[in-house]
Amino acid sequence: QKEVEQDPGPLSVPEGAIVSLNCTYSNSAFQYFMWYRQYSRKGPELLMYTYSSGNKEDGRFTAQVDKSSKYISLFIRDSQPSDSATYLCAVTDSWGKLQFGAGTQVVVTP
Amino acid sequence: KAGVTQTPRYLIKTRGQQVTLSCSPISGHRSVSWYQQTPGQGLQFLFEYFSETQRNKGNFPGRFSGRQFSNSRSEMNVSTLELGDSALYLCASSSRTSGYTDTQYFGPGTRLTVL
Repeated sequence: QKEVEQDPGPLSVPEGAIVSLNCTYSNSAFQYFMWYRQYSRKGPELLMYTYSSGNKEDGRFTAQVDKSSKYISLFIRDSQPSDSATYLCAVTDSWGKLQFGAGTQVVVTP
Repeated sequence: KAGVTQTPRYLIKTRGQQVTLSCSPISGHRSVSWYQQTPGQGLQFLFEYFSETQRNKGNFPGRFSGRQFSNSRSEMNVSTLELGDSALYLCASSSRTSGYTDTQYFGPGTRLTVL
C-alpha cells in the first residue's frame, strides 16, 4: 500500500466551478504537506506548502490539512481552462524525502 | 534567477546500454534530488545529494547512481538499461542545508525511452 493515496481522475469541471482535490496519507511522521501542479511535458511546480493543520489560502487556491485524519485537500475557486493540469499532493518528514500521490488530472472546460 | 535545467531533454537508448543525465540547480542551491516519474508508479524518489554527498536514497536498484560536483551540478547514471526504465527523470533543487524541509524546485525533466 502506498504511503500517499490520491485519486488519479480525470476530474472534469466547467469553467468557474470549484475544483476539490484530496489525498490521504498513512504515516503520522509526515509533517510537511505540499501541492504541485504539472502541465503536460513540464516538471511539477509548487503551488502550496504548509506544515500545520488548518487552512492556507493563496489567491484562488486553498490548501487544507487535517493531521488527525491524515487528510489533505486543495480547492481551486473560479476555475479557469488554464488550471487544466495534473495536481500532485506530496508529503515529507523533517528530512525532506518527498512522497508523492499519483496525481489527479483536472480538465476545466470552457 | 534561472531555474533548474536538465540535459538532454529527450533520450532514446536500447536495452543493456547505460545513460547519464545532467542537472544544473538554481544558483545558490546546494541540495539536488532526483525522481523517476512513470504512468504506473507516479513520482518516485531516487536520491538526494548535498555538498557532493548522498544524503537520502530511495528504493531503487544499484543500477541507478548519482553524483554531485563542487558547483552543485549533479548527474545520475543508469547502467544496464531495462525497458522498465523508460520514464521522465526529474531533478529538483532546494536551498535546504540541514534536516529541515525547504521548497524543492523542479526542472523540466529528461524523457528517457528504452527500446
